[in-house]
Amino acid sequence: AQKVTQAQTEISVVEKEDVTLDCVYETRDTTYYLFWYKQPPSGELVFLIRRNSFDEQNEISGRYSWNFQKSTSSFNFTITASQVVDSAVYFCALSEARQGGSEKLVFGKGTKLTVNP
Amino acid sequence: EPEVTQTPSHQVTQMGQEVILRCVPISNHLYFYWYRQILGQKVEFLVSFYNNEISEKSEIFDDQFSVERPDGSNFTLKIRSTKLEDSAMYFCASRTMRTAKLFFGSGTQLSVL
Repeated sequence: AQKVTQAQTEISVVEKEDVTLDCVYETRDTTYYLFWYKQPPSGELVFLIRRNSFDEQNEISGRYSWNFQKSTSSFNFTITASQVVDSAVYFCALSEARQGGSEKLVFGKGTKLTVNP
Repeated sequence: EPEVTQTPSHQVTQMGQEVILRCVPISNHLYFYWYRQILGQKVEFLVSFYNNEISEKSEIFDDQFSVERPDGSNFTLKIRSTKLEDSAMYFCASRTMRTAKLFFGSGTQLSVL
């Protein structure tokens, strides 16, 4: 069975600090996808990134970066120079990747990030 | 950018009543999903739908739930006889055949009294 663990329930930082959100996953699939979604106070789910299991290159997008380590089954998310607008709940998710499959997402419980001015 | 549209944004109903939550997925998408999020908890998969039939459903999706794509644009979730524990935010999502990236709607907050 697939499982995603986000051990940090809540994190509070001061603006301009760097912050890393942890995500550890479990799966028996050899091919899978990993995701991060942002849920701002308004409630919608905003897609941030998707990674394939066979691509372990780290990725940077502006102030966001992701560290995928297959050896430790982790897919951590770092926000550099955090801003108040980054305050949200962040969800890590996992899906299988099989042809013709429904590829449902299994979500972690989320990490609530509060960035204080 | 195209988006998934959900209506209504809020729905209040009495226990035992039927509710229908509506979604308009992105027009060229072929896979459709419903997820729900009980307040303060994680987002949970309910059902996936492809080629006019359910492709997978979770344990939550019991006989009280059904989905339908009545025309070429709408995708609905029906709860026949609502229970208090059905109170949650319900998210619709869709994707193309080629990518695993799910586009989520803004959700319908269902409150069962």
